[in-house]
Amino acid sequence: AQTVTQSQPEMSVQEAETVTLSCTYDTSESDYYLFWYKQPPSRQMILVIRQEAYKQQNATENRFSVNFQKAAKSFSLKISDSQLGDAAMYFCAYSSSGTYKYIFGTGTRLKVLA
Amino acid sequence: DAGVIQSPRHEVTEMGQEVTLRCKPISGHNSLFWYRQTMMRGLELLIYFNNNVPIDDSGMPEDRFSAKMPNASFSTLKIQPSEPRDSAVYFCASSFVGGGRAGELFFGEGSRLTVL
Repeated sequence: AQTVTQSQPEMSVQEAETVTLSCTYDTSESDYYLFWYKQPPSRQMILVIRQEAYKQQNATENRFSVNFQKAAKSFSLKISDSQLGDAAMYFCAYSSSGTYKYIFGTGTRLKVLA
Repeated sequence: DAGVIQSPRHEVTEMGQEVTLRCKPISGHNSLFWYRQTMMRGLELLIYFNNNVPIDDSGMPEDRFSAKMPNASFSTLKIQPSEPRDSAVYFCASSFVGGGRAGELFFGEGSRLTVL
């Protein structure tokens, strides 16, 4: 069975600084998708970034980028120039391209310090 | 599109009562997911449907929980009888998947359930 692990329950970053959130996953499949979702206090889940496993190039979305290491089964999220609005829970998620079952990690709470 | 619509937003009930949560997925999406979020266990996948058919219900905690998707635009998650440990936020999400592609998962705003 696939699993997603986020080993950092909580992280803090100073405003305008860079922070990296870690995520590892376990799968025997070769084709899958990885996602980072953000959940602010409003509790609405918002997609931050997405990576297809067959793509070697790391995905980027403005200040958000990932470091995808397929062999190591690692998928970290880097947030550059952190803003107060980035404060939220961040969830790493995996989806198989065969079963389309989306599995989430336990989340990392990010605090942004002014 | 209005997005994934869930109701009710909040539900407070007493132990032993039946609870029904409702979800309308985004039109055109062919997969629907029910998740439960708690502080202790995070975001747990309860069940998911593809083309209205339940594919995997291994996350449903016990027989008190049941889910249906009678058509492409409606799903329910029922708890009968409810217990205090069922208190959580329940999310419905939908996506379009197929042909080896897993699309973005779109979430509703969640239903916060409190069982007294």
